[in-house]
Parts: sequence; C-alpha cells; structure tokens
Amino acid sequence: DIQMTQSPSSLSASIGDRVTITCRASQDISNYLAWFQQKPGKAPKSLIYAASSLQSEVPSKFSGSGSGTDFTLTINNLQPEDFATYYCQQYNSHPFTFGPGTKVDFK
Amino acid sequence: QVQLQQWGAGLMKPSETLSLTCAVYGGSFSGYYWTWIRQPPGKGLEWIGEISHSGRTNYNAPLKSRFTISVDTSKNQFSLKLKSVTAADTAVYYCARRRSDCTGGGCYSDSWGQGTLVTVSS
Repeated sequence: DIQMTQSPSSLSASIGDRVTITCRASQDISNYLAWFQQKPGKAPKSLIYAASSLQSEVPSKFSGSGSGTDFTLTINNLQPEDFATYYCQQYNSHPFTFGPGTKVDFK
Repeated sequence: QVQLQQWGAGLMKPSETLSLTCAVYGGSFSGYYWTWIRQPPGKGLEWIGEISHSGRTNYNAPLKSRFTISVDTSKNQFSLKLKSVTAADTAVYYCARRRSDCTGGGCYSDSWGQGTLVTVSS
C-alpha cells in the first residue's frame, strides 16, 4: 500500500496569513492526489484534484502543486472559515490511502 | 447537483452485522465508482472500498474479509455490510462518489454523503 504523510500535523495561524501544508507519498503517484477540507462534525469537502486542479466553486485562495511523491496545499489570506483539518489522498492505486491530516487552528 | 444520502443503524452490539445504504439523487449512477470511507472518533480517514454501477468491486485488503459492498442500480443505491462488528469498528461511515474516467486526473471522490455514526457497544 502507498503510505501518505503530512506535515505539519497541526499549525496555528492568524487571519490573513498564508499557510502551506505538505503531503508526501511513499512511491510515485504521478498527479493522482486530492486535497480535502473537513470541519468538525461535517463530511470532508474536496478542494483540489489532480494535484493542482481546483474543484468547481472552491475559491482560488486554495492552490495545490507537486507531482510524483511531493505535494503542497497553499491557502492564501486565511479567513475564519478556513480553520479546519486538511487531508490529502492518493488515488493512483488501491487502496486509496489518506494522509493523517493537518489541523489548522487560530493562533 | 448530485446528492448522496445515507442511512443505517447507529448503535450496535458486538458480533452483529452492520448495514448501511447510500442513495444517489440528481446525477448519473453509471460512469462512477461508489465508495465507502470511515473515520473513527478523533482520527483520520480510512478507505474501505468501492463498487462500480456494474458491480465491479475494489476493497482495502485487510478489511475485505469482513466488508461487502453491493449495488442496486434500479434504486440508484449502494450498500455496505460489515459482519461481526467490534468496538474497533466504531466510526463515522461516509459514502462518496468517484468518477470512473481518470482523464485529467478527475477520478477522485468529489461528492460525499453526510456520514453515519456507528457505535459498537455492549
């Protein structure tokens, strides 16, 4: 199975900050990488697919990059609604594994 | 706008069989894989498996012996069964949709159900 890691596991940020979250795959997954946002008590919401493509209706403040094994999610101009946990998921090969998550909270 | 609505028993006793169903409204049922994912309280997401509209399945191997995913195309529904539940199966279970066509990398889980909390306790 492909193992996914994320760093940091948590971070504290302020309104207006730019934050970057890193996701690493244990083997080459090309660009089959998605990012999800999850708020407490809610289902995950897709943000980014194919490593860098924005899901429709997701604001352009979210961006993704990378290919192969190393990927990043960047959130610009952090707003209160962006405080959440973010997960990456590879869908290159079964089972489609998730990273452990990065919790973004208010500094 | 597709909507996935799921339901099933919320409280179970050890050794019982869990049964969850997810109904798909407002979108095509063919051309997608229909997925189950779970999340233990306070923990991360675990991919369980998926089924196509034609019944082709993929499972997370360690879970395969206890999980069964099935589809009912006449109702645009798919289901999850888990036999012999234990406390370790306590989790929120989500259904989700994944496009079959990976052109442009678009075969990711783009729509999710609301989640069902399943608690296993004696």
